[in-house]
Amino acid sequence: EPEVTQTPSHQVTQMGQEVILRCVPISNHLYFYWYRQILGQKVEFLVSFYNNEISEKSEIFDDQFSVERPDGSNFTLKIRSTKLEDSAMYFCASRLTGGDGYTFGSGTRLTVV
Amino acid sequence: AQTVTQSQPEMSVQEAETVTLSCTYDTSENNYYLFWYKQPPSRQMILVIRQEAYKQQNATENRFSVNFQKAAKSFSLKISDSQLGDTAMYFCAFWNRDDKIIFGKGTRLHILP
Repeated sequence: EPEVTQTPSHQVTQMGQEVILRCVPISNHLYFYWYRQILGQKVEFLVSFYNNEISEKSEIFDDQFSVERPDGSNFTLKIRSTKLEDSAMYFCASRLTGGDGYTFGSGTRLTVV
Repeated sequence: AQTVTQSQPEMSVQEAETVTLSCTYDTSENNYYLFWYKQPPSRQMILVIRQEAYKQQNATENRFSVNFQKAAKSFSLKISDSQLGDTAMYFCAFWNRDDKIIFGKGTRLHILP
């Protein structure tokens, strides 16, 4: 079964450092997303991406965040200057059509120290 | 704005029993999709079952079935013959043409041997 692949599975970074979280969506999917889940809390929408541009972003997705699809396969989330409160599980997801539901990756646990 | 409410933070049942997880949602939309996602201790998000709002027939996937009551805006998940591997966090989720999934806070389900 096709999978969404995320790397790394766990990243520890110092406050103020830049991090890039990587995702390889399912190859024929057209819509890409990043969600995050702070420990013990609900899963929150960050950003959606279609046709090489951001479709929508949440209020969480401020100027410190950016997304990119640098080639035909990778989809990255960059946090420019990490804060302690950025510590969370970050999920990449992709879909072909809405009714199929999203396919989520296994997540990257980001720990900011 | 759409909201999803899961009123049971935690539940425990004996193996082989049937358990029902509750979910209600609020929307003014007529066309949307509802999902149940499972998050085991590995923290991966796994799609369990989906329901299209315009379909009256309740969705079923093996031991998992839903009771979709559109007028009441209720979408419960029934797990029959529960197994130890069903132990996980379960999230009810809503999707419409806004193209972001709105998650509930989750129900932590423990299957006891």
